[in-house]
This record gives sequence, C-alpha cells and structure tokens, in this order.
Amino acid sequence: EVQLVESGGGSVQPGGSLRLSCVDSGFTFSSYSVNWVRQAPGKGLEWVSFISTSGRTMSYADPVKGRFTISRDNARNSLYLQMNSLRADDTAVYYCARDSGGAPMAYWGQGTVVTVSS
Amino acid sequence: QSVLTQPPSVSGTPGQRVTISCSGSSSNIGSDTVHWYQQLPGTAPKVLMYKNNQRPSGVPDRFSGSKSGTSASLAISGLQSEDEADYYCVAWDDSLNGWVFGGGTKLTVV
Repeated sequence: EVQLVESGGGSVQPGGSLRLSCVDSGFTFSSYSVNWVRQAPGKGLEWVSFISTSGRTMSYADPVKGRFTISRDNARNSLYLQMNSLRADDTAVYYCARDSGGAPMAYWGQGTVVTVSS
Repeated sequence: QSVLTQPPSVSGTPGQRVTISCSGSSSNIGSDTVHWYQQLPGTAPKVLMYKNNQRPSGVPDRFSGSKSGTSASLAISGLQSEDEADYYCVAWDDSLNGWVFGGGTKLTVV
C-alpha cells in the first residue's frame, strides 16, 4: 500500500523559511509525478507546485513563484518543498500528492501544518 | 476566486440523487480531463473520479462523472450519510501551466 508521510512543518515568523519533506514508502516513487497542495484553515484546496518524474520539469502557482522551490530525490523516495520569504497567507496544511498510472494526485499524505505568524 | 467554479453547497436526503457542477474555460476543462476529489471532515482528500468518468477501485458506482465543453459534473445517486464531505473538481490549465481546483462544494445529507 502506498503511504506518503510529510514532515517539516512548524511555526515561523514572516520572512522566514521552512523545508518540507515527503517520503513515499512504496517502490515506484520515481515513476510518478508529484505535487504539493495546501489548504488554509477553513478554506479549499490550492495547488502549489508540480514536479515531473525526473525532476527536470517543475511548475508553481503564481502566489509562490520565486519563493518556493520543489525538488525530489528518487534514490530516497523523497519530495521536498523549500519555502522562503514566508507570509501569513502561506499558513496552511501542506499535502504531498502523488500521481498513479491513471489518476493525478491519486495518493495523499496526512499533511503537515505550516503557521506563519509574528 | 477559484479558476473552476463550483456551488458552495448542495444538500439532499438519503436515497436521493444530487449533482455538483464545475465550470471552467477553454484553457482547462475545455482542453483537458476533469478529476474529482472527496475530502471527509478532518482527513486528506481522496480521488473519487479521474479522467472525467473513471472510478478508482473501491469507489461505489453510485458516483458518476461527466464533462461537456467547458463544464463537468459529479453525480451521486442513492445518497448516504457517509457521503457528507467536501468535493473538489480539478483540471490542468494550459495557460497557468498548473493544476486548478474548484472552490469546493460541501455536501450535506439532511
């Protein structure tokens, strides 16, 4: 069974940085694209970033462009999100979501909470 | 303001059929397939429907999806109390070069 586990969330002041991680317990991580999706308190889902299987293609939502960097290490079955210049409106639960052979974002982690506050 | 437009809420009684609409544009729904996610209270989202009308294994056939032009819809028949959740539509947007979500629809079973 596929299991994704996020970590790295926490409380940080505006302007600070955090690095989120997501580990895939399966054996086929390198075969699938992965995304970060966030959900602000009481709000809907918002796509944050995408990375292709090789890691050569990335894309970002406009609100995070230039501040967040997605990366992956297929040897470690791991996905990362480096978040810099954090703002209060980045406060959210951050989920990693991996594609399957057919469905995008077929598997989700439990989420990690990021709180940006002074 | 979400790129894909969904009604904020729908409701129905047990056994009833409800539909949730999702409206987009030529750069997203009009040029790609639509996917639907269900989020039960306090849990991570789960894929409910992909590529417009494909159900992952384990999703009951009470759930069905369709797409026409720049709109899509999710239908739930034989409504059950366990269907109470938030539902989101998603599509790839060629102009934004990223995934776009609908604002979500809260389904209440009264």
